[in-house]
Amino acid sequence: GAVVSQHPSRVICKSGTSVKIECRSLDFQATTMFWYRQFPKQSLMLMATSNEGSKATYEQGVEKDKFLINHASLTLSTLTVTSAHPEDSSFYICSARGGQYNQPQHFGDGTRLSIL
Amino acid sequence: GENVEQHPSTLSVQEGDSAVIKCTYSDSASNYFPWYKQELGKRPQLIIDIRSNVGEKKDQRIAVTLNKTAKHFSLHITETQPEDSAVYFCAASNTGGFKTIFGAGTRLFVKA
Repeated sequence: GAVVSQHPSRVICKSGTSVKIECRSLDFQATTMFWYRQFPKQSLMLMATSNEGSKATYEQGVEKDKFLINHASLTLSTLTVTSAHPEDSSFYICSARGGQYNQPQHFGDGTRLSIL
Repeated sequence: GENVEQHPSTLSVQEGDSAVIKCTYSDSASNYFPWYKQELGKRPQLIIDIRSNVGEKKDQRIAVTLNKTAKHFSLHITETQPEDSAVYFCAASNTGGFKTIFGAGTRLFVKA
């Protein structure tokens, strides 16, 4: 149980392109979804937290107009990297949590984004 | 603000030896402490967790201890195997909080 599906797994595109990443909880209702960015050999950097039907809460330093998050249902959240540039190249991982706060997060497989 | 410190950043052990990773947290209201294992290029996976009403929890070769007074918690891996090589993250969260705070990670190498 507690499967989170993230797509696509890999994106390579030109600078200026907008890229949408989907995160789906397959067998549970995700009250809260999280989006992380991970640089090589580094920890998970929380970008934003979203609750179903609400606006996302962004961490300090993360541009909300650059990284658009939509959590339209209890099973789907999307992250759109708008007008992506090479510095946006990274590994993006979503996670989902259902129910109470003190429950584990379940992670997607991640999306490796490469902007040329 | 809330913070979780994790040590060491890198740990190298011989196969069969034990490995210990330590974390400290700053928010005294933290009451849930999961540990995740992340292999290269893959998703973090929950390996064990502990809640604040328990001092120790064990699952086969993996154990976690919690000292609420000192705000320390540790992961113990016994009889390490090469497949234990990965990055391990500790984390802390609380009922009143909104998010889980992750440690910086420990890169574990198990040498055959």
